[in-house]
Amino acid sequence: NAGVTQTPKFQVLKTGQSMTLQCAQDMNHEYMSWYRQDPGMGLRLIHYSVGAGITDQGEVPNGYNVSRSTTEDFPLRLLSAAPSQTSVYFCASSYGGPGKNIQYFGAGTRLSVL
Amino acid sequence: ELKVEQNPLFLSMQEGKNYTIYCNYSTTSDRLYWYRQDPGKSLESLFVLLSNGAVKQEGRLMASLDTKARLSTLHITAAVHDLSATYFCAVDEGGSEKLVFGKGTKLTVNP
Repeated sequence: NAGVTQTPKFQVLKTGQSMTLQCAQDMNHEYMSWYRQDPGMGLRLIHYSVGAGITDQGEVPNGYNVSRSTTEDFPLRLLSAAPSQTSVYFCASSYGGPGKNIQYFGAGTRLSVL
Repeated sequence: ELKVEQNPLFLSMQEGKNYTIYCNYSTTSDRLYWYRQDPGKSLESLFVLLSNGAVKQEGRLMASLDTKARLSTLHITAAVHDLSATYFCAVDEGGSEKLVFGKGTKLTVNP
């Protein structure tokens, strides 16, 4: 049982480039979310999804897009990377939402934008 | 808007000592979570506190929740080096399917 899998683990981008961070879970969880972690800031919610076809914005959604075509996958897209998006990104999933159940986190993607 | 404050943000303690980390939050919620993060690693769930007065214990860590005071504590008993990590509390934003995290407490346990 793999849990929550994120790829890639590390990525370096130039300003203006686009990329997609992948997240997949094999626990049949309905709820998935993306966070970014910056030094001294804790984790901040970017986008989340309560099920396939349903997404919503979190605290810091600007510059990021998401979609949820299947229960398993929840990719995060950076359309035009900026240095302010240098961060560690975590994907998480839970059954029934984080307010009801434990969230399981992926290993993270460390992104640098030059 | 829900705000979650942890203190202290940095804690250096000696092995064998006791200490408490505090998590205050600004709006009503009866669901609070504690996570642990080792350097360069992901977050690991420690405790889920789902009602007023809830107390959970695992090894040298004990967490409690007082929803009336909007306060949770994480108590460390007889600290050991292996407990060195960053500890986060997170609060459910009133059934909104969102978690708001504190900034974390970086704990260093010295021999």
